[in-house]
Amino acid sequence: SQQGEEDPQALSIQEGENATMNCSYKTSINNLQWYRQNSGRGLVHLILIRSNEREKHSGRLRVTLDTSKKSSSLLITASRAADTASYFCATDRQYGNKLVFGAGTILRVKS
Amino acid sequence: EAQVTQNPRYLITVTGKKLTVTCSQNMNHEYMSWYRQDPGLGLRQIYYSMNVEVTDKGDVPEGYKVSRKEKRNFPLILESPSPNQTSLYFCASSAGRTSYEQYFGPGTRLTVT
Repeated sequence: SQQGEEDPQALSIQEGENATMNCSYKTSINNLQWYRQNSGRGLVHLILIRSNEREKHSGRLRVTLDTSKKSSSLLITASRAADTASYFCATDRQYGNKLVFGAGTILRVKS
Repeated sequence: EAQVTQNPRYLITVTGKKLTVTCSQNMNHEYMSWYRQDPGLGLRQIYYSMNVEVTDKGDVPEGYKVSRKEKRNFPLILESPSPNQTSLYFCASSAGRTSYEQYFGPGTRLTVT
């Protein structure tokens, strides 16, 4: 079953602009993670936010979590062409061994 | 270098011919998983393992088998592949109780004709 659903499906912005991607999920979670995938390659972990956290930062990344709305957002500030990739949220219901991924958001950053 | 390796990276096979995709990690991770990725569906978990000799089904286990005889290895076995198993497969590992982030292998692109 697909737990997380990302929105939008695709996003195209200019270099330097901010990119915001949203993720909604259906059941309670222990943590939510965001991953990046460059064209057909393995996923790379970006950031994890626990269910008792509301906001987390890592470099140019800012993640928020609203457990009452069962939603999360990923903000990439001052985007670069190298940020072009697919971004996936993954909900973790069993402390690390049962991640459920959404279908992803394709981000294109134009230089 | 900490990594997850998969072999082969590309495989074209015919229906019914048994195959194994190997996965190995050098980080002494307890947790390992297999996923398949299909367009528009994201990644779906096939099987996971929390430790040696401990495996359990994910969301799409039909047609697959796994084994975990050693901590570092977690092979995926397709006893009788079918065309609907054509997909991009990823192995992943995580430390488990101390860290939940997953490290992914480079992927195996499988085509079953």
